[in-house]
Amino acid sequence: GDSVTQMEGPVTLSEEAFLTINCTYTATGYPSLFWYVQYPGEGLQLLLKATKADDKGSNKGFEATYRKETTSFHLEKGSVQVSDSAVYFCALWQAGTALIFGKGTTLSVSS
Amino acid sequence: ETGVTQTPRHLVMGMTNKKSLKCEQHLGHNAMYWYKQSAKKPLELMFVYSLEERVENNSVPSRFSPECPNSSHLFLHLHTLQPEDSALYLCASSQLADISTDTQYFGPGTRLTVL
Repeated sequence: GDSVTQMEGPVTLSEEAFLTINCTYTATGYPSLFWYVQYPGEGLQLLLKATKADDKGSNKGFEATYRKETTSFHLEKGSVQVSDSAVYFCALWQAGTALIFGKGTTLSVSS
Repeated sequence: ETGVTQTPRHLVMGMTNKKSLKCEQHLGHNAMYWYKQSAKKPLELMFVYSLEERVENNSVPSRFSPECPNSSHLFLHLHTLQPEDSALYLCASSQLADISTDTQYFGPGTRLTVL
């Protein structure tokens, strides 16, 4: 069945460092891909999404490109801030299936 | 109140208790969702309601019973739960039940502990 695999955390970075959180997926069709963020004590928020191959989703300085050839949707940010500390979830969805999430990657940014 | 609210924020219950979780959205959306977030498992979609009708039920045990009396309110009735049901239960809403295009807005969750 469809699945999402994220890199294990926690990821610990200094402020202004470059961030990459890897996400790969397995799906039989053409899923839509998402990144959600969960700040401490809050619910999930949609960060960005891409609905077809080669699409790039972007928001708040974060980017992810839908790569069908490598079945990946890696999250990147050029310069992280302390306020980016949160748990990040990669997810996929396609018609006829549920929204499938990865296990989440905890990011901790120190000043 | 704005956004999606959930009550209670924390709940401790025994295995023989019956309790309910409440979710309310103030966004004028037509779709609502229940998710389960366990410590060591991926986030799981439990139920989807669109225009107060259940459109998806992802093989959730019958000890979880959802209720959607109107488009603004969603309940999750709990009875004879197991300790492994302890988790964060998240409610979400969106304008439509189209996950591919619609942004889901999440509530802060209810932290449930089953003793």
